[in-house]
Amino acid sequence: DARVTQTPRDKVTEMGQEVTMRCQPILGHNTVFWYRQTMKQGLELLAYFRNRAPLDDSGMPKDRFSAEMPDATLATLKIQPSEPRDSAVYFCASGLRTGALNTEAFFGQGTRLTVV
Amino acid sequence: GDSVTQMEGPVTLSEEAFLTINCTYTATGYPSLFWYVQYPGEGLQLLLKATKADDKGSNKGFEATYRKETTSFHLEKGSVQVSDSAVYFCALSDPRTNTGNQFYFGTGTSLTVIP
Repeated sequence: DARVTQTPRDKVTEMGQEVTMRCQPILGHNTVFWYRQTMKQGLELLAYFRNRAPLDDSGMPKDRFSAEMPDATLATLKIQPSEPRDSAVYFCASGLRTGALNTEAFFGQGTRLTVV
Repeated sequence: GDSVTQMEGPVTLSEEAFLTINCTYTATGYPSLFWYVQYPGEGLQLLLKATKADDKGSNKGFEATYRKETTSFHLEKGSVQVSDSAVYFCALSDPRTNTGNQFYFGTGTSLTVIP
């Protein structure tokens, strides 16, 4: 059963520390999304990649957030330095785009980040 | 730009009641439409989808019909169960526009079903 895998599931860290969240997309998917979910803002798109190249990261605070895909099986989202307002659940999702057709986005179970 | 508007929650229903969650969309092209469900502590899971006008998506007793004339994709279920308690998200994606295959999500509607 193919699924998107995110680690860690939960992370508590102190303000100012670096946080790295990892995502393994579904094998064969060529698009990876990072979303952030909070009660106040709902689901926000932070960045997305196609074939490992960043297509849009306009939703991400550039001064402290960075997203990369070192290879096709790994996507990372880093926050440095972390702040309490970054506390949220971070979701990775993957999908397949071929020509003008999309699959739906498949979501991981999320990383719950708490910055104290 | 593309967007999705869904009804505010929370919604509380008794078991076996009829469910409707309204969703309308704005899109420049001809998007695909989706309903996702999120159970507590979980990620979003696809519930159903429709890729063109008049298509009906269905799964687990839920249905939604893609209505281009009213730009709507309302979610319905004839008889809800306690296990349907979750947050429901309407979404759209149109790979034929310049925004590629971004998914635009609504704000989510929380459903609680009481026995």
